[in-house]
Amino acid sequence: DAGVIQSPRHEVTEMGQEVTLRCKPISGHNSLFWYRQTMMRGLELLIYFNNNVPIDDSGMPEDRFSAKMPNASFSTLKIQPSEPRDSAVYFCASRQTTNPGGSVTGELFFGEGSRLTVL
Amino acid sequence: AQSVTQLDSHVSVSEGTPVLLRCNYSSSYSPSLFWYVQHPNKGLQLLLKYTSAATLVKGINGFEAEFKKSETSFHLTKPSAHMSDAAEYFCVVTLNTGGFKTIFGAGTRLFVKA
Repeated sequence: DAGVIQSPRHEVTEMGQEVTLRCKPISGHNSLFWYRQTMMRGLELLIYFNNNVPIDDSGMPEDRFSAKMPNASFSTLKIQPSEPRDSAVYFCASRQTTNPGGSVTGELFFGEGSRLTVL
Repeated sequence: AQSVTQLDSHVSVSEGTPVLLRCNYSSSYSPSLFWYVQHPNKGLQLLLKYTSAATLVKGINGFEAEFKKSETSFHLTKPSAHMSDAAEYFCVVTLNTGGFKTIFGAGTRLFVKA
């Protein structure tokens, strides 16, 4: 299996520009997570999807951030307009999560991350 | 309330000496527990996991952890540190609360001295 695939690996942009980060989860996984990691705040959950439906977006910083999952094999995280404080590494993770009472372990599989620098 | 506490933000050991990274959790549900490792500029990689089977869990690269319910702990150990073990380590709890809620510890950075 190829694992969770994220693109781009690195992005440098100027303040005010739109940024789109992409994620392909592991085939068969039905939950997808977007995390942001910074030195100051550590690892923060931004949003997660179950079966392509957003379940909890309480971690999304503000309206400039949006995430979509149009199908089971693709998700995007968009920042518009971007600001220097959005500079961080953004991780996508996926998991096979069944209904309550299922026997899955809850293990998350992470991508390599997208390092965003907003100048 | 559910929480995960990694008791040390930084741990420094000499190469060849034992490693102990401490993790305590608080939960009213039966948890699944994980340790992840993150090397510089890399994603998080699963080291090992506990899912209500054997309480002593062996992982990759010689790491192991013991689930102690009475102490609500899941400390990570390795008998002999290697320079390549220098990284950040995250203790993670997943709870089946009707969905699966995942809680990350703040992380422990491990330094290994030659």
